[in-house]
Amino acid sequence: DIVMTQTPLSLPVTPGAPASISCRSSQSLLDSHDGNTYLDWFLQRPGQSPQLLIYTLSYRASGVPDRFTGSGSGTDFTLKISRVEAEDVGVYYCMQRIEFPWSFGQGTRLEIK
Amino acid sequence: QVQLVESGGGVVHPGRSLRLSCAASGFTFSNYGIHWVRQAPGKGLEWVATISHDGTHESYADSVKGRFSISRDNYAITVYLEMNTLRSDDSAVYYCAKERTDTSSSAIASWGRGTLVTVSS
Repeated sequence: DIVMTQTPLSLPVTPGAPASISCRSSQSLLDSHDGNTYLDWFLQRPGQSPQLLIYTLSYRASGVPDRFTGSGSGTDFTLKISRVEAEDVGVYYCMQRIEFPWSFGQGTRLEIK
Repeated sequence: QVQLVESGGGVVHPGRSLRLSCAASGFTFSNYGIHWVRQAPGKGLEWVATISHDGTHESYADSVKGRFSISRDNYAITVYLEMNTLRSDDSAVYYCAKERTDTSSSAIASWGRGTLVTVSS
């Protein structure tokens, strides 16, 4: 099974500053047949259900601001927030779906300083 | 507007069974794969199970394989999660979630609000 590892686990950020979360998979998430990398990012705000931010490595989900960017390749991935806002507080999860069982990272808690 | 409403959670003794339901609306249910994802209190997300749009393919997390069974009724527009031989570490909020597109194994894009399962003697 694929293991997903996120760093850091906690991320205090000043409003307006950039933020970056890393995610590493134990196996490549690149599908050699179609060229897609099956890595998604979710945000779970306090008291809410998770929401999809980024799918298939770098595609922003509907309604997601362009300050969120997904990048990476193979086994190393990054979610970047260009300028953190108060509404970005919550726990961020990466997830692989190249093979079953799908698996999430442990989560990164972003808080405002 | 996509809606997923989970029900069936509650308190159950270890070793007993429980069936969760996920009622869907706002989309063509029979075209989409559905997943269950759980979250133990204060913990992260854990993918549990999935069923394909037509019910012909299922997959499970290792932690529930052989104990949990996912099924769907495309006429009743409902997905079920039958949970047997429950253990204390199955205690969690269980979310029902829908894939983004009708392509197989697309990203999880819509989530319900969850139903809480507590396994305790």
